Amino acid sequence: EVQLVESGGGLVQPGGSLRLSCVASGFTFSTYSMSWVRQAPGKGLEWVSYISGSSVTKYYADSVKGRFTISRDNAKNSMSLQMDSLRDGDTALYYCARRNSNYCYFDLWGRGTLVTVSS
Amino acid sequence: EIVMTQSPGTLSVSPGERATLSCRASQSVGSNLAWYQQKPGQAPRLLIYGASTRATGIPARFSGSGSETEFTLTISSLQSEDFVVYYCQQYKNWPPATFGGGTKVEIK
Repeated sequence: EVQLVESGGGLVQPGGSLRLSCVASGFTFSTYSMSWVRQAPGKGLEWVSYISGSSVTKYYADSVKGRFTISRDNAKNSMSLQMDSLRDGDTALYYCARRNSNYCYFDLWGRGTLVTVSS
Repeated sequence: EIVMTQSPGTLSVSPGERATLSCRASQSVGSNLAWYQQKPGQAPRLLIYGASTRATGIPARFSGSGSETEFTLTISSLQSEDFVVYYCQQYKNWPPATFGGGTKVEIK
């Protein structure tokens, strides 16, 4: 089955760190670029970060630049998001999403993992 | 950054009726526009890409149109499972990929 499964979310205090993971199955992971997209409670979708299949190219939203680091391990069909210096505004459901082969829309999504930043 | 604006925020429609959702871009995105459907407690699902091409497995009652800055998602005959939230996303100029704020389709 073609799917993405996220994990690693939880409750963390402001200023803390968390590492999210996304494991892919059912497709050739290394040939796809991937992204993280988040959704604050009751809000819309916000793109967070992007990584190319080879990890050569990485992009970040301005709101997380310098605090979040995206990475991937193609041998393990996995992608990670290291989140440091977390803020209240980072509270959200974080989705792992597969970028279409040719264009930057997202044709496969995971179910998400919830990150709550609170003291 | 291209800003995407969806209207209305909430659309009240009766089952079996047609729903028309709008998405406007702050500058031209050509046909680089996708639509997603999100059911409660679920991840978004790709409905439309290239402004008008249905994704795999999407019913024919969903159609997309428009170009440049004005786009429309039409659901020709609303089924019970269609009363959920829809988002548009531009992918002409990125990063960042930007989404609209969403339109919730509710039962009238």
